[in-house]
Amino acid sequence: GEDVEQSLFLSVREGDSSVINCTYTDSSSTYLYWYKQEPGAGLQLLTYIFSNMDMKQDQRLTVLLNKKDKHLSLRIADTQTGDSAIYFCAESTYQGGKLIFGQGTELSVKP
Amino acid sequence: DGGITQSPKYLFRKEGQNVTLSCEQNLNHDAMYWYRQDPGQGLRLIYYSQIVNDFQKGDIAEGYSVSREKKESFPLTVTSAQKNPTAFYLCASRTTRGQNNQPQHFGDGTRLSIL
Repeated sequence: GEDVEQSLFLSVREGDSSVINCTYTDSSSTYLYWYKQEPGAGLQLLTYIFSNMDMKQDQRLTVLLNKKDKHLSLRIADTQTGDSAIYFCAESTYQGGKLIFGQGTELSVKP
Repeated sequence: DGGITQSPKYLFRKEGQNVTLSCEQNLNHDAMYWYRQDPGQGLRLIYYSQIVNDFQKGDIAEGYSVSREKKESFPLTVTSAQKNPTAFYLCASRTTRGQNNQPQHFGDGTRLSIL
């Protein structure tokens, strides 16, 4: 069945780059998404990539997609303390736009 | 401002009680979704609706019910049959117009606890 996996924790120093990784299993996924969740809040859409793309860049965010290995990554350049949050990757399905979410990666940015 | 409003922010349920969580959107979105989030886990889909007066079960529908009488509103009832209701509940919506798989947008959530 469909499954999305992420590592649970990542710690970086302020100013460094962060790379959050995700693997998925459904090769028919059309879009893959990155969401950010701050404590006690809902999910904020950061970016998404169509499955026929390899890379998408949006300001400090770079998404890389390796469709052969079913591997997705989110790179945050010049990471700031305000980037501390939980980051979820999600894949879309053809069933009514349902999303399958990973467990989330908690990013901790140390000054 | 356009957006998704969930209320209340915090809710407490007594044993044997049904409670209803509200989700309203003014984005003119056709599809709406309810997710449950437990600590250290991703979001799990409870119910979703792609059009008024129609909805489908998600992966963990047991103990929950929904209705979709208006496009703007998709309330979720947590029934007494749901034995472990303590969780953070998130509502989302998306448009089904334009290109496929338009992203879902989320409300700020309701935290439900047992008294």
